[in-house]
Amino acid sequence: DAGVIQSPRHEVTEMGQEVTLRCKPISGHNSLFWYRQTMMRGLELLIYFNNNVPIDDSGMPEDRFSAKMPNASFSTLKIQPSEPRDSAVYFCASPGASNQPQHFGDGTRLSIL
Amino acid sequence: TQLLEQSPQFLSIQEGENLTVYCNSSSVFSSLQWYRQEPGEGPVLLVTVVTGGEVKKLKRLTFQFGDARKDSSLHITAAQPGDTGLYLCAGGSGGSYIPTFGRGTSLIVHP
Repeated sequence: DAGVIQSPRHEVTEMGQEVTLRCKPISGHNSLFWYRQTMMRGLELLIYFNNNVPIDDSGMPEDRFSAKMPNASFSTLKIQPSEPRDSAVYFCASPGASNQPQHFGDGTRLSIL
Repeated sequence: TQLLEQSPQFLSIQEGENLTVYCNSSSVFSSLQWYRQEPGEGPVLLVTVVTGGEVKKLKRLTFQFGDARKDSSLHITAAQPGDTGLYLCAGGSGGSYIPTFGRGTSLIVHP
């Protein structure tokens, strides 16, 4: 099992540009968490999918952020337009036996200039 | 939103020393997880505790869940440089379990 795979690993772009982050969860899991990590705020939940449906998106900062999980093997997090304050490391995670986030990807380090 | 406070925020020690880090909240949790995160990687789940007063051991790491299920501690015996990392606790409750993370304790163990 390759684990959770995220792409790209690093992204540097100018403010105003659209950014798309991708996640391939562990095979067989149809639940997925997206998190954002910064020094100031730590690890924050953005959105949680269960059975490919968004269950809790209260952590999505604003309308500039959107996430989809069209099937059990793929999810995207999109920021449009991006702003410098969106700079962070973004993680996705597949759940463990008790449905807590257990298997994290290595993250996408996003820098908005 | 349940708030988890972790202390200390930073810890720098020599190899062979013992240490304890703490995770505290005013809320009661159904379960609590501890993770370790190394630079450039995602958090790795170390343990889940679910019962008040529960103690779990993972080699040199001892995890304890408070009797009231509001706090937890992680004790490392004879720390090694490989223990260096960010230690995160996360807890949640209720039927739709979505945990809240603390901000972590950053540990550096010097050889």
